[in-house]
Amino acid sequence: AQSVTQLGSHVSVSEGALVLLRCNYSSSVPPYLFWYVQYPNQGLQLLLKYTSAATLVKGINGFEAEFKKSETSFHLTKPSAHMSDAAEYFCALTGAGRRALTFGSGTRLQVQP
Amino acid sequence: DTAVSQTPKYLVTQMGNDKSIKCEQNLGHDTMYWYKQDSKKFLKIMFSYNNKELIINETVPNRFSPKSPDKAHLNLHINSLELGDSAVYFCASSQEAGLSDTQYFGPGTRLTVL
Repeated sequence: AQSVTQLGSHVSVSEGALVLLRCNYSSSVPPYLFWYVQYPNQGLQLLLKYTSAATLVKGINGFEAEFKKSETSFHLTKPSAHMSDAAEYFCALTGAGRRALTFGSGTRLQVQP
Repeated sequence: DTAVSQTPKYLVTQMGNDKSIKCEQNLGHDTMYWYKQDSKKFLKIMFSYNNKELIINETVPNRFSPKSPDKAHLNLHINSLELGDSAVYFCASSQEAGLSDTQYFGPGTRLTVL
């Protein structure tokens, strides 16, 4: 069975500080990994995805994530947080013939002025 | 120009009622999905259709019945609503049913069962 674990349900950073949101996965086959962002009362928007082309993936809004097979991780980073980055972030995967996204429990990012 | 749209955005109803949520995508995608987000924000797949054919049917009470009249539409009908059905329901679509295909989400329908 596949699973996604997001460490830290809430992360708070100061504006301009590094953002690091953690995601670890479990999969019997090489997975495809995704980060989605959900702003309040909105749907989910894709930030970036890993499809085995490159281990360092760059996404929208200055976010990037690195796939580390040895650590089964796909952590999301951004060098400098903006107030507008405050949202819920979800890590998800597909794989092993399972087309639907398996989501982690989400991390709420707060950005302090 | 909304890519994936859902109606209604909010739905408040009494226990025991039957309700439907509609979803339409104008992206020309072949695959559509229904996800449920519970009160703790956890998202879980319910159903998926590819070219009007059901390809994913998770362990969901049979009070929930999806219907896909064409590739651009996937509706969700819920019979005999229960308190535990209160959640946000998201429709999504992807180009095909490939594992790496990006899924595009609608704005969600917040269902409240009283």
